[in-house]
Amino acid sequence: AIRMTQSPSSFSASTGDRVTITCRASQGISSYLAWYQQKPGKAPELLIYAASTLQSGVPSRFSGSGSGTDFTLTISCLQSEDFATYYCQQYYTYPPTFGQGTKVEIK
Amino acid sequence: EVQLVESGGDLVQPGGSLRLSCAASGFTFSSYNMNWVRQAPGRGLEWVSYISSSGTTIYYTDSVKGRFTISRDNAKNSLYLQMNSLKAEDTALYYCARTISGGSHALDYWGQGTLVTVSS
Repeated sequence: AIRMTQSPSSFSASTGDRVTITCRASQGISSYLAWYQQKPGKAPELLIYAASTLQSGVPSRFSGSGSGTDFTLTISCLQSEDFATYYCQQYYTYPPTFGQGTKVEIK
Repeated sequence: EVQLVESGGDLVQPGGSLRLSCAASGFTFSSYNMNWVRQAPGRGLEWVSYISSSGTTIYYTDSVKGRFTISRDNAKNSLYLQMNSLKAEDTALYYCARTISGGSHALDYWGQGTLVTVSS
């Protein structure tokens, strides 16, 4: 199975900050990558798919980039509602696999 | 409004069985591929199983092959997961999730999950 590694595992940031989360695949996955946001006690929500396509209804401060093995999720101006855990997921091949998650906490 | 509502989770002894259900509404269920994804307490997400819209294509993660069976009833707008020979490591919140349309295999809608606890 393809291993997805996110970095960092957690970090603290302030409202208004620009933040970047990295996801690395153990082998090339073209652009078959999605990003999800999960808040405590809630189901994950799709933010981005195909590495850079914003899901309908997701604020434009979220963006994704990358292809092959290296990907990033960027939040351009962190809002209070963005403090959550973020997961990347590859769907290049079965089984689809998730990164271990990146928790964004309030500084 | 798209809704996915899971049910069937419970406390079960190791070696036991459970059947999870997911009731779908707000979209044409028969047109969408569906998945089960689980999350152990305090842990990350793990994809479990996939079934195509017609039910003809099915995948499982290795750890549940031979023990879990995914199925669907398009007439009832329902997705199922039959779980046999349950192990402690199957303890998790089980989510039903829809595959986005258009060829991508991202998951665009998720239910709120049903909790399966395997313990003696």
